[in-house]
Order: sequence, then C-alpha cells, then structure tokens
Amino acid sequence: GEDVEQSLFLSVREGDSSVINCTYTDSSSTYLYWYKQEPGAGLQLLTYIFSNMDMKQDQRLTVLLNKKDKHLSLRIADTQTGDSAIYFCAESILDSGAGSYQLTFGKGTKLSVIP
Amino acid sequence: GAVVSQHPSRVICKSGTSVKIECRSLDFQATTMFWYRQFPKQSLMLMATSNEGSKATYEQGVEKDKFLINHASLTLSTLTVTSAHPEDSSFYICSASGAAGEPQHFGDGTRLSIL
Repeated sequence: GEDVEQSLFLSVREGDSSVINCTYTDSSSTYLYWYKQEPGAGLQLLTYIFSNMDMKQDQRLTVLLNKKDKHLSLRIADTQTGDSAIYFCAESILDSGAGSYQLTFGKGTKLSVIP
Repeated sequence: GAVVSQHPSRVICKSGTSVKIECRSLDFQATTMFWYRQFPKQSLMLMATSNEGSKATYEQGVEKDKFLINHASLTLSTLTVTSAHPEDSSFYICSASGAAGEPQHFGDGTRLSIL
C-alpha cells in the first residue's frame, strides 16, 4: 500500500539549516514533491524531483533522494522566520483507474523558526 | 505561472444549504483537477479526481451524491456540497494539473463552516 511518513515537528534557529525527512513505500513513484502550507492557505509547490535523480538544488532548497531506501529530504539553507510553515512530502503514482497521477501526502512537518 | 484560483475563501451557512466552490486555472489548461478535504492539523485527503468533460472519479467512502463535481472546461471545476450539515465543515482545497504527470498546483482553499 501507499504510505508517506514524516516527522511532525522541527524547530530550528534563524540562520541555521533545516532538514525535513520523509519516507515512502511505493517504489513506482514517478515524482516526489515538497509543498509548503502556511496557516489558512492552500499548498505552495516548493520543488519536486524525478525518481531517477539523486539530488536537486534550487536556491536555498536542496532535495536529496535515496531511492534504494525510499528516503527523501528537504534542506532549507539559512532558514528564515518566513519559512515557518507546514511542509508536506508527497509521492506521485499513476492511478490507472482515474487515468491520472495522484498524490499521496505525508501528515506534514511543522517547521518553527526561532528568531 | 501555474496559478489556481479558488472561490470563495470562506463560507458560513445554515445546515441544509447547498454550497458551490469554484476552482479555476488562470494561466494554464488543466486537464485534471483534484478536490481534497483537510481536517485540522491533518494531511490532505483526496476526495475525487476529475478530467475535463468526464465524470469525476470518487475515492472510496466519498458520497458522489453529496459532493457533486463538474469539470465543464479546461479551466474550471466546481464542487457542490449538497444539503450541507455541520459534519461537512472542513477546509476544502482544489488542485489542477496540466498534462499527465505534471505537478499539481493548489488553490488557497475554502473554509466551510456549517451552523
């Protein structure tokens, strides 16, 4: 079955790096995503990585993928107070019945940045 | 690019009322739109997937007569909560995807409160 797990809370000091970890179970995942959700808002796509890649860097964000261990991480360099939010890891799997790629989300990691 | 607009952002209404929520892709054509429900401090639960011009595919346990989905064009999908009751109170979020396999882009969500 599909299951995406991530730790629920992370607290870091402003200026430090944050690392949010995620594990997934379905090896047929095509893409893996990181979304950010601020209070009362929808989800903002941060970055995503194709399943045959090991790493992707985009400004302060670095995604690492260990496909063998089914482990995904998001590193935020120089974390700012504005980065405080809930971060969702998601895997994309083809649902042949619906004819579309569907996302399975983790429960989200609440990142708190201490000034 | 890839902006999804969702309206209204908040609805408060009496029990028994039907409520329509709109989801529009503003700058791209969305072949597939998704409707999610999010309970407080929880992850997103997929309710249904809709492809333009086709009937929506509902997830197990989601009542199709209760949650009517229409995806009449490549830029608009609507979710109607019929005869809403207090237990339908929740945060509803839509997302849209262009071609198959492309990332889902999310609206800002609708907070539905049924009195």
